[in-house]
Amino acid sequence: KQEVTQIPAALSVPEGENLVLNCSFTDSAIYNLQWFRQDPGKGLTSLLLIQSSQREQTSGRLNASLDKSSGRSTLYIAASQPGDSATYLCAATISGKLTFGTGTRLQVTL
Amino acid sequence: NAGVTQTPKFQVLKTGQSMTLQCAQDMNHEYMSWYRQDPGMGLRLIHYSVGAGITDQGEVPNGYNVSRSTTEDFPLRLLSAAPSQTSVYFCASSTTGGIGGNSPLHFGNGTRLTVT
Repeated sequence: KQEVTQIPAALSVPEGENLVLNCSFTDSAIYNLQWFRQDPGKGLTSLLLIQSSQREQTSGRLNASLDKSSGRSTLYIAASQPGDSATYLCAATISGKLTFGTGTRLQVTL
Repeated sequence: NAGVTQTPKFQVLKTGQSMTLQCAQDMNHEYMSWYRQDPGMGLRLIHYSVGAGITDQGEVPNGYNVSRSTTEDFPLRLLSAAPSQTSVYFCASSTTGGIGGNSPLHFGNGTRLTVT
């Protein structure tokens, strides 16, 4: 059974800090990996999608990497802001199936 | 630019009642899907569709029906509500298929369902 794991479940950092969120998956035959943001009471917003042929994607202060051999993806957030506070989920497409992690709840404090 | 629209936002049902959760998208996406989100379990796929007239089961289809008569709409029907179906339901769409495709998924804001 494919599993996608996100550790830690919750993270609190002071404003301005650079941080890394982790996502691990159990199958190296990954097709793509997506990172999403979810605000309370809202749906998921796609942040970055990394195809299996890519190693990383960047959007503004966000950088996502993919290491298929180790089964890991990381989301790097530079110069964190209180507006970055949300739950971040990763989802891996493997063998035609999209599996979500349970998310990391991030709080950026003033 | 509405994106993916879900109605209602909240619903309370009694055990045994039926209802339909509505989902509409205005992006001409071929792929549409329904997920449920439960604490500690992540999002789980209920049903999905790769185009009008085509639907298939996901990971947790029991107790739910879907139909796709148009590209825009993908309603989810609860046949006989049970307390185990208390959850937050999300509809999502993409251009070339969330399963096996390389297009990002677009989500609605969800329907919070409570079954008593």
